[in-house]
Amino acid sequence: QKEVEQDPGPLSVPEGAIVSLNCTYSNSAFQYFMWYRQYSRKGPELLMYTYSSGNKEDGRFTAQVDKSSKYISLFIRDSQPSDSATYLCAIPKAAGNKLTFGGGTRVLVKP
Amino acid sequence: EAQVTQNPRYLITVTGKKLTVTCSQNMNHEYMSWYRQDPGLGLRQIYYSMNVEVTDKGDVPEGYKVSRKEKRNFPLILESPSPNQTSLYFCASNSRLTGTTYNEQFFGPGTRLTVL
Repeated sequence: QKEVEQDPGPLSVPEGAIVSLNCTYSNSAFQYFMWYRQYSRKGPELLMYTYSSGNKEDGRFTAQVDKSSKYISLFIRDSQPSDSATYLCAIPKAAGNKLTFGGGTRVLVKP
Repeated sequence: EAQVTQNPRYLITVTGKKLTVTCSQNMNHEYMSWYRQDPGLGLRQIYYSMNVEVTDKGDVPEGYKVSRKEKRNFPLILESPSPNQTSLYFCASNSRLTGTTYNEQFFGPGTRLTVL
């Protein structure tokens, strides 16, 4: 079983729709949960991170963690064509420097 | 501008011909890492370094070498490349963790390597 699993998509939505992305993880000891966004031909960049359970909101983006079910989610409200990218969930290991990534979900927002 | 740079961005080579991909960061970060990205597998860490002269294996270190002689540079060396090392490679850096705060990893633009 992979430590972090993510549906590869692609996920195609019309502009203005809510995008819902999720990952599952296997190790209940994980505390930090992160979402990276990767545009085509670019390196990933950190979008949001959360610590432990709960929600975190940043503009149109909401990150959610449910530690009881080992499930993390990212919601994008009022999606825009500029949100078209691959979204990767990532979890840092105990040492902090090592990131374990999900496989990434490709999102396409159509005008 | 704070950034991680990699060179070359694109490289086509043949099996067995030694190559080096350079990585440099200007943020004075202690930690640096190399990842490879393959379709369906996401990013997997190859090697990481906690500081000068301190390196350790990641998840997929076979066939790769690294060195950290200066804080800003972290080259990735393929002594004898093989076709299964055809991939997209990313270098990343981050500062030392403090307390319970996770520090963001900054990624370079990637190097697309093809081994024939």
